Amino acid sequence: EDQVTQSPEALRLQEGESSSLNCSYTVSGLRGLFWYRQDPGKGPEFLFTLYSAGEEKEKERLKATLTKKESFLHITAPKPEDSATYLCAAATNSNSGYALNFGKGTSLLVTP
Amino acid sequence: NAGVTQTPKFQVLKTGQSMTLQCAQDMNHNSMYWYRQDPGMGLRLIYYSASEGTTDKGEVPNGYNVSRLNKREFSLRLESAAPSQTSVYFCASSETGVWGYTFGSGTRLTVV
Repeated sequence: EDQVTQSPEALRLQEGESSSLNCSYTVSGLRGLFWYRQDPGKGPEFLFTLYSAGEEKEKERLKATLTKKESFLHITAPKPEDSATYLCAAATNSNSGYALNFGKGTSLLVTP
Repeated sequence: NAGVTQTPKFQVLKTGQSMTLQCAQDMNHNSMYWYRQDPGMGLRLIYYSASEGTTDKGEVPNGYNVSRLNKREFSLRLESAAPSQTSVYFCASSETGVWGYTFGSGTRLTVV
């Protein structure tokens, strides 16, 4: 059974304190690994797609990386506006119709 | 740019009542999805429609029905609501062959 596991469940950082969120996956053939940001009361917002091990993508203070077993979302010098829940999701050979398997998310709080 | 529009935003139902959640997208996407999000459970796929005229079950379809009314609209119906269906429901859409979903802002449903 495909599984996507995110850690930690919650993370509190001071402004400027860099850290990483982890997404480990056990799936039958990864076709793509996705990161989303979700603000309270809103729908998830697409951040990145990674397709193969070694791939990296960056957007402002965020950088996503992918290995054969996990993905990391690195947050460099975070600001309070980076506070949100970050979701990762996998598209796999078990999925049809382009459905995604989501992890439970990491809730990030950045304090001034 | 409306993207994906869901109505209503909030709803309270009594056990046994029925209702339809509406979703419309204006991006000319072929694929549409319904997910539910529960605390500690992550996003789980209820139904999806890979293209106009087709619908398929996802991970948690019991108690729900869907209709792909046309390319723009994908509705989710609860025939006899149960307290276990209390959740936040998200509709999403994507281009065929592309997993970068665009999500709506969600419907928060409470069944009492």
